[in-house]
Amino acid sequence: DADVTQTPRNRITKTGKRIMLECSQTKGHDRMYWYRQDPGLGLRLIYYSFDVKDINKGEISDGYSVSRQAQAKFSLSLESAIPNQTALYFCATSDTGGNGELFFGEGSRLTVL
Amino acid sequence: AQSVTQLGSHVSVSEGALVLLRCNYSSSVPPYLFWYVQYPNQGLQLLLKYTTGATLVKGINGFEAEFKKSETSFHLTKPSAHMSDAAEYFCAVSVPSGGSNYKLTFGKGTLLTVNP
Repeated sequence: DADVTQTPRNRITKTGKRIMLECSQTKGHDRMYWYRQDPGLGLRLIYYSFDVKDINKGEISDGYSVSRQAQAKFSLSLESAIPNQTALYFCATSDTGGNGELFFGEGSRLTVL
Repeated sequence: AQSVTQLGSHVSVSEGALVLLRCNYSSSVPPYLFWYVQYPNQGLQLLLKYTTGATLVKGINGFEAEFKKSETSFHLTKPSAHMSDAAEYFCAVSVPSGGSNYKLTFGKGTLLTVNP
């Protein structure tokens, strides 16, 4: 089984719908992240969490919210999806003091029609 | 603030040829440097990293990179490309941001195509 698991792997939805992407990890890391990948733009940080009570906005948090339900679980929500949120979303984890090295899930491809 | 520039969004090589993917960074403090690879329909996985010590770093699948402080570069090379190397490659720089925290910045990626 993967150390960082994302569900769903693929989702097609319509404009205005609420969507939740879920991430769970078995690495025992305190830190978790949500990134968005768009062609030609690389990876952009949406939100990150250093522990259950510490959640921070990244560079592109508008239109997104997150919940850290437990050390191992970090979910990303789109309250009202719009077409320009069509992208590949990655969850990642890192160890405290681990020099910033990230461990990624396999991604969730979201299409908003 | 740090930044990462990957020269060439798309690099095409022939099977057996040298692979050279370029990465330059800017940072006001000594950085940690990473190369990640993303195969089609997969997540990113670490290819190699430079933290301290030897400036020539060897990674998986025959790749290596050399940290050149004077040139602020961390170029990725492989002597002989295989078809299985076709993927997107991301360079990243990490710098301390207070306490035990680090800020990681990714380049925009280079798509490597390997031609038979």
